[in-house]
Amino acid sequence: DTGVSQNPRHKITKRGQNVTFRCDPISEHNRLYWYRQTLGQGPEFLTYFQNEAQLEKSRLLSDRFSAERPKGSFSTLEIQRTEQGDSAMYLCASSLVLAAYNEQFFGPGTRLTVL
Amino acid sequence: AQKVTQAQTEISVVEKEDVTLDCVYETRDTTYYLFWYKQPPSGELVFLIRRNSFDEQNEISGRYSWNFQKSTSSFNFTITASQVVDSAVYFCALGNGNNRKLIWGLGTSLAVNP
Repeated sequence: DTGVSQNPRHKITKRGQNVTFRCDPISEHNRLYWYRQTLGQGPEFLTYFQNEAQLEKSRLLSDRFSAERPKGSFSTLEIQRTEQGDSAMYLCASSLVLAAYNEQFFGPGTRLTVL
Repeated sequence: AQKVTQAQTEISVVEKEDVTLDCVYETRDTTYYLFWYKQPPSGELVFLIRRNSFDEQNEISGRYSWNFQKSTSSFNFTITASQVVDSAVYFCALGNGNNRKLIWGLGTSLAVNP
């Protein structure tokens, strides 16, 4: 399978615990995005990387959230001291940015439930 | 401000009916990009189409067609002869600027009943 993959698909945790999600983009894609989606809403942009550089972070991303893409390939999103409001679907997308705009391809998401 | 409005929250049709999903956008940029994505019950967002702001030509792909009108800032999506498998949430999104992040509408939930 050469699409975007995310692990785990589901995560249930207790409030206050730390969680980490992984995203493996399409191999030749140089941009990687993280979004968050709650029920009945469209995805909300969190952050994105071009290669290993994190170029933008949304104001939605509190200091409890951190994302890395150490070698410009896979990325991790960590949430520290989780809160019930963090419960959502976390989506990863990748794209290949050339001269023309290219569409983002999404992974299946990681559904986080904070109890 | 950049914004995408999908006024239709839910639409229910009977199989084989045609259905149009509306999308209205706001942007001050002269160069921008519009997208439609499908999100079936499985949850994965599936890319359907991209349209550049400088290309107003409408597009047809099988039963899907898109009508882009800059004069009304709309990018509507029509499914002809709908099928049960078309049941999903459809999102319209706007991309502009160098960061190329997407601004999303709230989605339209389409139910196609047999």
